[in-house]
Amino acid sequence: DSGVTQTPKHLITATGQRVTLRCSPRSGDLSVYWYQQSLDQGLQFLIQYYNGEERAKGNILERFSAQQFPDLHSELNLSSLELGDSALYFCASSPSRGPSGNTIYFGEGSWLTVV
Amino acid sequence: KNQVEQSPQSLIILEGKNCTLQCNYTVSPFSNLRWYKQDTGRGPVSLTIMTFSENTKSNGRYTATLDADTKQSSLHITASQLSDSASYICVVTPAEYGNKLVFGAGTILRVKS
Repeated sequence: DSGVTQTPKHLITATGQRVTLRCSPRSGDLSVYWYQQSLDQGLQFLIQYYNGEERAKGNILERFSAQQFPDLHSELNLSSLELGDSALYFCASSPSRGPSGNTIYFGEGSWLTVV
Repeated sequence: KNQVEQSPQSLIILEGKNCTLQCNYTVSPFSNLRWYKQDTGRGPVSLTIMTFSENTKSNGRYTATLDADTKQSSLHITASQLSDSASYICVVTPAEYGNKLVFGAGTILRVKS
């Protein structure tokens, strides 16, 4: 158990809908990262938050947004969903502002299926 | 462009045998290189993390090596077990400000009895 908790574990929704994925980082970790992993593809970095502030942005679509709350949990909002958004979405956390030198712990992921 | 390439793409070995997975990267300068194990449908789990000044790091039956001059890393698995069947991902952290992890596509290892 990495200590990173993601909910829901599985989600099936229709095209055009909006979903929210939730992540609780490891106790004491200030950074939260979101990644997307499509079938048979590598992990794609979406966005990072550090202590409530956006720290780094990757290939995140404009239809997607995220935030980190004062209690450090984070949410990833996906809207106007398309079939191609079906993927495994991972949250990861680490104690520091950047990934250098620290182990980054991944949650078990949220499986999103868009039908 | 920062890239991480892994080989082979997939590998099948017999239980008890050793194997070595390769990782070549173009990320420079970099601050560290990590190996993760990802079981199908699960989150990646960290195996090793090495700074640019380290040459080798072990974690049980897993040994990672790093040659910063040739920009190559390898992950050696000794006495493989069925539970080693997974995807192994090489990840490099650039040293630049605002650094973002650069992920390899992974090597899919299958250990069969």
